[in-house]
Amino acid sequence: RKEVEQDPGPFNVPEGATVAFNCTYSNSASQSFFWYRQDCRKEPKLLMSVYSSGNEDGRFTAQLNRASQYISLLIRDSKLSDSATYLCVVMRRAGANNLFFGTGTRLTVIP
Amino acid sequence: GAGVSQSPSNKVTEKGKDVELRCDPISGHTALYWYRQSLGQGLEFLIYFQGNSAPDKSGLPSDRFSAERTGGSVSTLTIQRTQQEDSAVYLCASSLVGGPNEKLFFGSGTQLSVL
Repeated sequence: RKEVEQDPGPFNVPEGATVAFNCTYSNSASQSFFWYRQDCRKEPKLLMSVYSSGNEDGRFTAQLNRASQYISLLIRDSKLSDSATYLCVVMRRAGANNLFFGTGTRLTVIP
Repeated sequence: GAGVSQSPSNKVTEKGKDVELRCDPISGHTALYWYRQSLGQGLEFLIYFQGNSAPDKSGLPSDRFSAERTGGSVSTLTIQRTQQEDSAVYLCASSLVGGPNEKLFFGSGTQLSVL
């Protein structure tokens, strides 16, 4: 079983829509969680960390469910510029290479 | 520098040749990672450095691949006797190590094409 699994999509949504992505992880010892964004032919960039209590950054909301071992990302009022691949990243512990990337979920926002 | 710098940005080589890819991490970042990404695929972990040492080389796909890091800064990934399946984007990332929120900063990658 993969460390991190994501629905690859693609998700094609109209502008203004709300869209949610889920990601599951296999190791219950995982400690830290992140969402990265990768534009076509570009490098991944950190979108947001995911905190246990859930966190919001503008139109983006991230949630963590430790019991079920999944992470979600909600995007409200989608913009054309949100079109990208969203990577779920899980870290087991600090200070060592225990970073695991999902294969990404492709989002296209349609005018 | 302001960000992670990789060179060259593009490299075209012939099968069987050796190539060197360079990564210059953000100043002060002790951790350095190499990944590769084939078209339409996820990131494949290659190797991780903490300072100049590589505690995890498990991702290197074969003994044709090697990497080193000197002075706790610049890293070089070397691929010997390149094969067509080595064609991919090679991404380097660096981070500060010490807290639970280990955020990676990526370079823009080296697009390697083996003909």
